[in-house]
Amino acid sequence: GAGVSQSPSNKVTEKGKDVELRCDPISGHTALYWYRQSLGQGLEFLIYFQGNSAPDKSGLPSDRFSAERTGGSVSTLTIQRTQQEDSAVYLCASSSIVGNEQFFGPGTRLTVL
Amino acid sequence: DQQVKQNSPSLSVQEGRISILNCDYTNSMFDYFLWYKKYPAEGPTFLISISSIKDKNEDGRFTVFLNKSAKHLSLHIVPSQPGDSAVYFCAASSYINRDDKIIFGKGTRLHILP
Repeated sequence: GAGVSQSPSNKVTEKGKDVELRCDPISGHTALYWYRQSLGQGLEFLIYFQGNSAPDKSGLPSDRFSAERTGGSVSTLTIQRTQQEDSAVYLCASSSIVGNEQFFGPGTRLTVL
Repeated sequence: DQQVKQNSPSLSVQEGRISILNCDYTNSMFDYFLWYKKYPAEGPTFLISISSIKDKNEDGRFTVFLNKSAKHLSLHIVPSQPGDSAVYFCAASSYINRDDKIIFGKGTRLHILP
């Protein structure tokens, strides 16, 4: 069956530009998570959505980061005015229930020049 | 404050020997623990899990041990194979608090030496 997909797989942008990263979770999964992995770092939690509840934004590093989940399915992570320290692999995951095993997408590698 | 800690950033093990990856947690509400494996340029994949009602769970070459009193778990891989070289993430969650997300450690990079 189809897993979690993310697009684009790679994104190179200039400092100061806005970027949008997309995640398509597994159909029927109510929980969706965004993480990032910087060079040499572990998985850094950013935000998660559970059904129609207000998202947990506690991991977003600054107000330049935001995310939406439309119709309880596709999610978009937006980074405004990108900085070089935003360069990382951004991973999306979904699970059938919060706290259950998460299925990860392949990630989007973001490079800010 | 890190709730899930993997204190060894890397580990090298000879092929055929046992690999032991350790993980400590601080939140006593955690009652479900998972290990994920990640290859370069891929997303993490689920490997094995254990709930707090058990102290051991085995799946082929992989065994996870849980010591609740010490708030410690470990992943044993035996025998280690070259394909086991990857980053391993320990993760924890709380089933009691259904709204709690999974918390990941920073990972341990395992190198299997020929």
